Amino acid sequence: EAGVAQSPRYKIIEKRQSVAFWCNPISGHATLYWYQQILGQGPKLLIQFQNNGVVDDSQLPKDRFSAERLKGVDSTLKIQPAKLEDSAVYLCASSAAGWGEQYFGPGTRLTVT
Amino acid sequence: ELKVEQNPLFLSMQEGKNYTIYCNYSTTSDRLYWYRQDPGKSLESLFVLLSNGAVKQEGRLMASLDTKARLSTLHITAAVHDLSATYFCAVETSNDYKLSFGAGTTVTVRA
Repeated sequence: EAGVAQSPRYKIIEKRQSVAFWCNPISGHATLYWYQQILGQGPKLLIQFQNNGVVDDSQLPKDRFSAERLKGVDSTLKIQPAKLEDSAVYLCASSAAGWGEQYFGPGTRLTVT
Repeated sequence: ELKVEQNPLFLSMQEGKNYTIYCNYSTTSDRLYWYRQDPGKSLESLFVLLSNGAVKQEGRLMASLDTKARLSTLHITAAVHDLSATYFCAVETSNDYKLSFGAGTTVTVRA
């Protein structure tokens, strides 16, 4: 089966600009996650969707980050405006249910200058 | 808040020798995952440990879980170069099934 797809793989922007990332989960997976992985750290959950509803966005900096999952399949994560500290790898993951093993995509490496 | 601590954070291994990575966590959990991450790549699932006393082995890697001690170990037998990577443990909280990751252990295997 095809894995989790993400694009773009790399993005360089200046601070205060906006950026969007896209994720296509494994077919049939109801739950989708966005994680932020800062260099040298483990991934940190930003937001979790169950189908097209938000389950947990408690760690999402909502003044600048937004995410949506229209039709319960693909998802986009947006940052506007970006700050230097947003430089990280943004990982998308999916799981069949709201628990259990998560499968990760290749990530988008964001550099904010 | 669930805290997950891995040690060591960096591990220089000599080929052919055995090593252990430790993962301690702060609250009750019955499910723990080990992932591998190569530089510039995503996380690859290695093991899922589902209960106290669980032991899983794949090749030179063996993972175990002691839920009473809130401890998991990843044991590497006779290290080889292609095991060089960063290894993460992730603990699933029992009430909301969220994953909390350790900081990772960066392993370098030298000849």
